[in-house]
Amino acid sequence: EADIYQTPRYLVIGTGKKITLECSQTMGHDKMYWYQQDPGMELHLIHYSYGVNSTEKGDLSSESTVSRIRTEHFPLTLESARPSHTSQYLCASSPHGGSAKNIQYFGAGTRLSVL
Amino acid sequence: AQSVTQLDSQVPVFEEAPVELRCNYSSSVSVYLFWYVQYPNQGLQLLLKYLSGSTLVKGINGFEAEFNKSQTSFHLRKPSVHISDTAEYFCAVSASNFGNEKLTFGTGTRLTIIP
Repeated sequence: EADIYQTPRYLVIGTGKKITLECSQTMGHDKMYWYQQDPGMELHLIHYSYGVNSTEKGDLSSESTVSRIRTEHFPLTLESARPSHTSQYLCASSPHGGSAKNIQYFGAGTRLSVL
Repeated sequence: AQSVTQLDSQVPVFEEAPVELRCNYSSSVSVYLFWYVQYPNQGLQLLLKYLSGSTLVKGINGFEAEFNKSQTSFHLRKPSVHISDTAEYFCAVSASNFGNEKLTFGTGTRLTIIP
């Protein structure tokens, strides 16, 4: 069973606020990912990391930023939230090698509403 | 690059009836294939995966899928559905070559079980 945690689960904030979405995993996985998911739509990769101090932008452009200072922690930050950022954000992780290296394990998600 | 097509956005099925959710992919390289399930207000949970070997793969909750390379398909099936199977189902693909483990998701199929 995967152990990957996201907090908060739900967040409602006003425009212009700075927010950080937390994601932690206890599996020692090297690779971590952030996806954005709008209702009825596919998941879009917005950030990924293949290890400490490694971060890359994903396929979908995002105004958010990420950091990877510790293996288990991959927070996502929005410096100034806008209504267009309203969405569900899903964090995932996967191991570096072996037969499971392509399998991603997901957290429960953070549903963000910006008013 | 890879792409995934899930032709059916919604599939209503009577309880205890069989179901098939369709998934087609395109890729210029060999791929790994996955089905994930998302229950309301939850993250994604891995249902099953095809990495290599037998083209018929069995997953959790009685689901199975068959990899058909000539038709570039990976359809998901269950012989008898239950109310608890109501959820969104996502097909995903990743390239099998090392260093390119990012997942590309389809737009999802919403399975609704009718009592």
